[in-house]
Amino acid sequence: DAGITQSPRHKVTETGTPVTLRCHQTENHRYMYWYRQDPGHGLRLIHYSYGVKDTDKGEVSDGYSVSRSKTEDFLLTLESATSSQTSVYFCAISAGAGYGYTFGSGTRLTVV
Amino acid sequence: EDQVTQSPEALRLQEGESSSLNCSYTVSGLRGLFWYRQDPGKGPEFLFTLYSAGEEKEKERLKATLTKKESFLHITAPKPEDSATYLCAVQAMRYGGSQGNLIFGKGTKLSVKP
Repeated sequence: DAGITQSPRHKVTETGTPVTLRCHQTENHRYMYWYRQDPGHGLRLIHYSYGVKDTDKGEVSDGYSVSRSKTEDFLLTLESATSSQTSVYFCAISAGAGYGYTFGSGTRLTVV
Repeated sequence: EDQVTQSPEALRLQEGESSSLNCSYTVSGLRGLFWYRQDPGKGPEFLFTLYSAGEEKEKERLKATLTKKESFLHITAPKPEDSATYLCAVQAMRYGGSQGNLIFGKGTKLSVKP
C-alpha cells in the first residue's frame, strides 16, 4: 500500500531463533501498530507505538518486543520464535484518534 | 470489555442478489466504526468510517449504516469482484497513548458467483 511497506514479505525460520520484521512508512504518521491475523481469531493487536520511543502492549504481546527509534520505522522482534507464532503479520499506521488505519501488505511467517 | 461480532461468518450470493452484513458492537463510548475489505494475500483496505448513530456512507454498490448497537454493510446487486472478506472495527473513546486502538471483528467472507 502507498506509504507503508513491510519486509520481508515471506519468511521461514526455525524454532528458537530470533526474527525481526520491519515496517516503514513515508506518511509521517504518529501511530504505528503490529497485528497478527490467524484463522478463527481475526486481527489481534500485538504492540503499538504512539511516538518515537513510545510503545505499549496489545492483547497478544507475550513473546514479542518492538522498537521505534525513528518516526518512519517500527520493528517487531520475536525473541525466540515458536511454532505458535506462525502467522501473517500486518503493520498499520494512523494519523490519530478518529482516523482509520492504513495497512501494509503483510509478512507471512512460518516457524518450523 | 469492548467487543465486535460479525455475522454471518460466510455468505454466498449470486451476482445481482442484494444482501447485508452485520456488525454488532459493545464499546464504552464509540469514537468511530470502520469497515474494511480484505482480499486474499493482502492487507485490509479502508472502506468507510461512521461516527454517530443514523450516519450512512456509500461507495459504488456498498452502503454502510450505523445504530447505537450495530452497523450494516448493504451490498446492492453485487458482482463477482465484490468477493472478499469484510472486516468491521470499532474505536472507543480513549485518551492518552492509545487514543483508542481499533478492535476488529473476525470478518464475513463474501463470495459472489456469476
